[in-house]
Amino acid sequence: KAGVTQTPRYLIKTRGQQVTLSCSPISGHRSVSWYQQTPGQGLQFLFEYFSETQRNKGNFPGRFSGRQFSNSRSEMNVSTLELGDSALYLCASTKQSTGTGELFFGEGSRLTVL
Amino acid sequence: AQTVTQSQPEMSVQEAETVTLSCTYDTSESDYYLFWYKQPPSRQMILVIRQEAYKQQNATENRFSVNFQKAAKSFSLKISDSQLGDAAMYFCAYRSPPGRSGGSNYKLTFGKGTLLTVNP
Repeated sequence: KAGVTQTPRYLIKTRGQQVTLSCSPISGHRSVSWYQQTPGQGLQFLFEYFSETQRNKGNFPGRFSGRQFSNSRSEMNVSTLELGDSALYLCASTKQSTGTGELFFGEGSRLTVL
Repeated sequence: AQTVTQSQPEMSVQEAETVTLSCTYDTSESDYYLFWYKQPPSRQMILVIRQEAYKQQNATENRFSVNFQKAAKSFSLKISDSQLGDAAMYFCAYRSPPGRSGGSNYKLTFGKGTLLTVNP
């Protein structure tokens, strides 16, 4: 069974540009979450989608957005990139939307903003 | 808002020994879920163990067990018979129960992590 797949794995952008990251969840998983991981702030929740609807959003500016498609694949977009957006962006999926359903994480997309 | 605190940025243990990683959290909720995740150098996070707050019995998974003290809001992870493959960053995480409206609420609040080194 294929795991959570994130693309691209590494990317370099310059300030002011925008970036789109993609996440393919495990087959059958309908909930997809995104997290930002930085050395200073640790792991911070960005947003969660379930059946194409954003169910929850973290405390990030409007430059961070996302969406989920009918096949449960998800994308997140960051516009007008800032140096502080350099981070590892992790996607996670789960079959259940309630209970202690295990979150399965991808290997992440490493974004460097110059 | 809930907060999770891991007071040990780094820990080390000898192979085959036992180590305990600390985690405390702050919440006003009575029902919630707690997790320990492991992030090896390859970066893929893996669930180690989970605990439902309404369960008094501490969760165990092979060499991994927790000491859940609800009143003290403490959730420590004990790793017995440590192995070289246990070396990783360990994160404690908190999750609120699903929203009463029935909406999904799968948001995890993580601690800053504890880097565990296993010495041969």
